[in-house]
Amino acid sequence: NAGVTQTPKFQVLKTGQSMTLQCAQDMNHNSMYWYRQDPGMGLRLIYYSASEGTTDKGEVPNGYNVSRLNKREFSLRLESAAPSQTSVYFCASRKPRTGVQETQYFGPGTRLLVL
Amino acid sequence: GQSLEQPSEVTAVEGAIVQINCTYQTSGFYGLSWYQQHDGGAPTFLSYNALDGLEETGRFSSFLSRSDSYGYLLLQELQMKDSASYFCASGMFSGGYNKLIFGAGTRLAVHP
Repeated sequence: NAGVTQTPKFQVLKTGQSMTLQCAQDMNHNSMYWYRQDPGMGLRLIYYSASEGTTDKGEVPNGYNVSRLNKREFSLRLESAAPSQTSVYFCASRKPRTGVQETQYFGPGTRLLVL
Repeated sequence: GQSLEQPSEVTAVEGAIVQINCTYQTSGFYGLSWYQQHDGGAPTFLSYNALDGLEETGRFSSFLSRSDSYGYLLLQELQMKDSASYFCASGMFSGGYNKLIFGAGTRLAVHP
């Protein structure tokens, strides 16, 4: 199992450019998440998807859109990048809560610099 | 609003025990998780408490007190490789969905 994979690993954009961050998981999880992490801060939820075909906003959704293409894939799109979107982006999927277990599995992250 | 507080930095020596505290204010709370993140890496799951009390996983233990909105992560027999950031995260049930709200993280430095 590859777990959660993300592409690209690194990206440099100019202000106003668009791009899509890709995420895929092979663990057959229903729930998937996009977070951003800024220096000295925890992870903040951008968007999440509880199941294929459903998405909803998290804490910081402005400037982003998402697509849950199928059960495996959840993409994050920046339509017009801004320097404030410079961050590390993590995708995660969630193992269904059974009993007293609750686990999210994270991808390796995408480091994005917007100039 | 939703918030978690944890110390920003902790320093300890190899072989020692360290406790990282976390207090939370979360509506729809259902449990407290702990994640470890090494510099440049992804967060990895360490422990989860749904019920009050202590959960033990090897050298790591986690504790939750729902009545005090408080939890901690206990790391024993510290090793150099434990130098990392540790995040508490409260699980909340909102709008029919499960979400995690993360604290800002505690940076642990283990010295020889």
